[in-house]
Amino acid sequence: QVQLVQSGAEVKKPGASVKVSCKASGYTFTSYDINWVRQATGQGLEWMGWMNPKSGNTGYAQKFQGRVTMTRDTSITTAYMELSSLRSEDTAVYYCARGVKLQPQGGTYSYYYMDVWGKGTTVTVSS
Amino acid sequence: DIQMTQSPSSLSASVGDRVTITCRASQSISSYLNWYQQKVGKAPNLLIYAASSLQSGVPSRFSGSGSGTDFTLTISSLQPEDFATYYCQQSYSTPYSFGQGTKLEIK
Repeated sequence: QVQLVQSGAEVKKPGASVKVSCKASGYTFTSYDINWVRQATGQGLEWMGWMNPKSGNTGYAQKFQGRVTMTRDTSITTAYMELSSLRSEDTAVYYCARGVKLQPQGGTYSYYYMDVWGKGTTVTVSS
Repeated sequence: DIQMTQSPSSLSASVGDRVTITCRASQSISSYLNWYQQKVGKAPNLLIYAASSLQSGVPSRFSGSGSGTDFTLTISSLQPEDFATYYCQQSYSTPYSFGQGTKLEIK
């Protein structure tokens, strides 16, 4: 079945970096984007960015520009999200999610939605 | 950036009730609107995409409507497993912003 399996929980000190992995299985890895979404405890969902595993192209939310890097290794169907210069406000659960593009009939722009999600990786930033 | 605002932020209802959650975009997003359900401690689950298309495997009691700036998610007859938090998300332009969520609780 289609699934995304994420790496385990991380504890980091302020100023450090964290790299979270997301292994895809059950579908052609290079045919769908991978998005990253985070959620602080008791808070809502925050979209961080996307990556096209085929081309390696990425798009990041302005808030994370300069601190986030999304990469992939197609040989092992795994996507990565690295966040640097960590601060306490980065403590959250980080999710990867498969992004689907659907071309509407007669339309120009594709619909886009996230249909498969990983279970999440808890990142705790604490001194 | 496009801001998404949901109402209400929380809602109490009973099993069997019909429930409607509203989502408003700060500018027109056509039908580029998705709805997700999230249960405590779990990842979000896609319910509706393109404003009104039901994701495969999602019960037909869930429906979505709207276009432009105003959208609704309706649950026709609440079931015990529907008590969760619901998020709308726009996919018209990046950053793909979410609403703040609507927590649906048992009355």
